[in-house]
Amino acid sequence: NAGVTQTPKFRVLKTGQSMTLLCAQDMNHEYMYWYRQDPGMGLRLIHYSVGEGTTAKGEVPDGYNVSRLKKQNFLLGLESAAPSQTSVYFCATRENTDTQYFGPGTRLTVL
Amino acid sequence: RKEVEQDPGPFNVPEGATVAFNCTYSNSASQSFFWYRQDCRKEPKLLMSVYSSGNEDGRFTAQLNRASQYISLLIRDSKLSDSATYLCVVGLSGSSNTGKLIFGQGTTLQVKP
Repeated sequence: NAGVTQTPKFRVLKTGQSMTLLCAQDMNHEYMYWYRQDPGMGLRLIHYSVGEGTTAKGEVPDGYNVSRLKKQNFLLGLESAAPSQTSVYFCATRENTDTQYFGPGTRLTVL
Repeated sequence: RKEVEQDPGPFNVPEGATVAFNCTYSNSASQSFFWYRQDCRKEPKLLMSVYSSGNEDGRFTAQLNRASQYISLLIRDSKLSDSATYLCVVGLSGSSNTGKLIFGQGTTLQVKP
């Protein structure tokens, strides 16, 4: 039982490049979330999903897209990376309570 | 004004000390409250939920004051392993519950030998 996994763990991009971050969970949770964490800012919600086939915008969605084609996977895409998107990205899942379970994070640097 | 505010610290305390962290939240409709712990370069993990009646888990005690919109965490007999960042987290619940949580920026604790 792996819980929540994220790939890749680290990535360096050049400005304008695109990439997809994958979050996978084996807990059969309906809700999934993508956050970014920056120094002095706390975690900020980018996008979230309340179930397979659904997505919604969070607090800071600009520059990101998401898809939830399968219940166990939540993908975060950057179409044209910018230095402002340098951050640590965390995926989280949730069942019926408000408790969220986080993946180990992806450290992204955009040069 | 941030929705959840915490003193970022750092709090530097000796082993065995008692330390308290405070947090305030701005949305009076908030229904769920938590403390998460985050170790350096790791993911946040739930430390404990916070209830109006207050709750205790070993050396950790959490309190909620809805009238003042204030949450606290007390750590007694600090251990070196308690060194981490403690995140105050608030959620809205209800029929349209999307499970969204609002995170404070965290309070850093360093326990020294």
